[in-house]
Order: sequence, then C-alpha cells, then structure tokens
Amino acid sequence: DTGVSQNPRHKITKRGQNVTFRCDPISEHNRLYWYRQTLGQGPEFLTYFQNEAQLEKSRLLSDRFSAERPKGSFSTLEIQRTEQGDSAMYLCASSLELWRELFFGEGSRLTVL
Amino acid sequence: DQQVKQNSPSLSVQEGRISILNCDYTNSMFDYFLWYKKYPAEGPTFLISISSIKDKNEDGRFTVFLNKSAKHLSLHIVPSQPGDSAVYFCAASGLTSGTYKYIFGTGTRLKVLA
Repeated sequence: DTGVSQNPRHKITKRGQNVTFRCDPISEHNRLYWYRQTLGQGPEFLTYFQNEAQLEKSRLLSDRFSAERPKGSFSTLEIQRTEQGDSAMYLCASSLELWRELFFGEGSRLTVL
Repeated sequence: DQQVKQNSPSLSVQEGRISILNCDYTNSMFDYFLWYKKYPAEGPTFLISISSIKDKNEDGRFTVFLNKSAKHLSLHIVPSQPGDSAVYFCAASGLTSGTYKYIFGTGTRLKVLA
C-alpha cells in the first residue's frame, strides 16, 4: 500500500494525558500537512512541512501541540495535557506540489474523557 | 469568517440522475479548487480539481465548473450511483490572512437512492 498511513486509528485517553500520532506520507511526497476535523465541520489546517522544515502553523495549534518531521519522512503530532476539546479526527495529508492535490490518510480519531 | 461555504448540508438524488453539489467562496485570491469525497471513519479522498484559469474540468462521471465572477463552483456527478453516497467537501487554496493554505467547506452529505 503506497498511500498515506496514520496510526493509531483510534485513541481514547483521559484528560491531562499526552498523546502522539504518527503519519507516514506517500514516499515521493516532500510536503506533509496536518488537519483536524470535528463533527459537522470540514478539515481545519493545523500545520505543514516541506521536507523536515515546519513552514507554517495555524493559530489553532496551541502550545500544547507540537509536530515534527525528522529527516523529512514520517511526521508525529503530539498533544500534551489533553483537554476534552481536543477530541477530533486528526488527518494527515501529503502532496507532491505545494498546495495542489492533497492525499489524505484515514485519520486518527482522538477521544478525551 | 467562513471563506468557503457549502450551503446545502444534504442532498438526495435518485440513482441514474445528476447530482449537483455547490460551493461558494469569498476570497478572490483563491486560485485552485478541489473536491473531496469522504466515507464515515475514513480520510477524505481526492476527486477532481480545477485551476482558476479554467472554467471546467471533467473526469469520467465527475465535472467541476468554476464561475470566478460569481465565486462559485459546482460538482456534477452523472449518472449518480449508490456508491457515490458520501460527504463531499470543496476546498480552495490561495493567499488568505497573509499565508497560503487550503480552506475546506463544511461538506454536503449526498445520498443516492437506488
């Protein structure tokens, strides 16, 4: 399978715990994006990388959120001290060209109790 | 401020008929538009795109129309099939709030009735 891969697919955690999601993009894509989607809404932009450089972060990304892409391959999104409002589907996408067709993974659903 | 709007939250169409999904945008700096389809518990799947230099793009049963003067795009699915039942998102990319990013609409749930 050469698509975008995300894991875990589901994560249930208690408020205050830290969680980490991983994204493996399509191998030849050097651009990687994180989005968040809540019920009834479209995906909201969080951050994006070109290779290992994080080039943009949304104001939605509070200081409890951090994303990395070491070596420009896979990426991780960590949420520290989770809150109930963090419950959402976290989507990763990759693209060959900047801001052209984004190819999404299946998402990681976070439930904070 | 919702820069990309899909005003119809849902649409039902009979199998074999045309489905028309609409999307409006407010930012004249948007220069590339895409449609995605999303099934429950899956990530969005890319369907079709259009650059602002064109007014139509066709791929099989899917055609996207862009009316720049009206800041409106639409997705036509002909003929509609039950497997097309999903949530459809339009997205626009361009310079917004000083940076370049994709903005998604809130989606339209399409139900194709057999």
